[in-house]
Amino acid sequence: SQQGEEDPQALSIQEGENATMNCSYKTSINNLQWYRQNSGRGLVHLILIRSNEREKHSGRLRVTLDTSKKSSSLLITASRAADTASYFCATALSYNTDKLIFGTGTRLQVFP
Amino acid sequence: DTGVSQDPRHKITKRGQNVTFRCDPISEHNRLYWYRQTLGQGPEFLTYFQNEAQLEKSRLLSDRFSAERPKGSFSTLEIQRTEQGDSAMYLCASSFPRAGVSTDTQYFGPGTRLTVL
Repeated sequence: SQQGEEDPQALSIQEGENATMNCSYKTSINNLQWYRQNSGRGLVHLILIRSNEREKHSGRLRVTLDTSKKSSSLLITASRAADTASYFCATALSYNTDKLIFGTGTRLQVFP
Repeated sequence: DTGVSQDPRHKITKRGQNVTFRCDPISEHNRLYWYRQTLGQGPEFLTYFQNEAQLEKSRLLSDRFSAERPKGSFSTLEIQRTEQGDSAMYLCASSFPRAGVSTDTQYFGPGTRLTVL
């Protein structure tokens, strides 16, 4: 079963606007990762945030992690049409297991 | 580009047939993972290897599924007696955890899309 749930399930915005996606999970984690998937293709890693970190930045991406609320958010600033994709959060649950548990994903559509 | 590669990219088969997929990880990566993704869902973990050892298997991996990584490099995933419910995208990923880090970034291949008729 999926560990995470993402909100919203779908998001449509205009180019230049910011996009925020949220991820909630159920159990303690070692780290949380965000991936992008273009239609019918493999996943591209975006950013990893560890359980002892609260915020990370990478280019136009900002990720926050609140372990007390078991939630994370991904902010894409100044969005572009090329950002159109599905975005998934994935959690690595503990130190001793390496599997990722993925959420259900947010489908982002950026209109030119 | 020496990313993760998967072969074939697409496979159409009839119910009851056996299929085998191959994954070549990034060359220095010692961990290799298999996931399955159905339409509209996130990937689900199937199994993973560290070098040639299979360290964890999901309950999703029924006895019709077998994965190997005989020399610690490429891996194969075989599905015997395929069923229509096996239709999905099969994704492979690899990683190279740094010393003292238990889990790290997983790099995914393009996937093999299986259609069982």
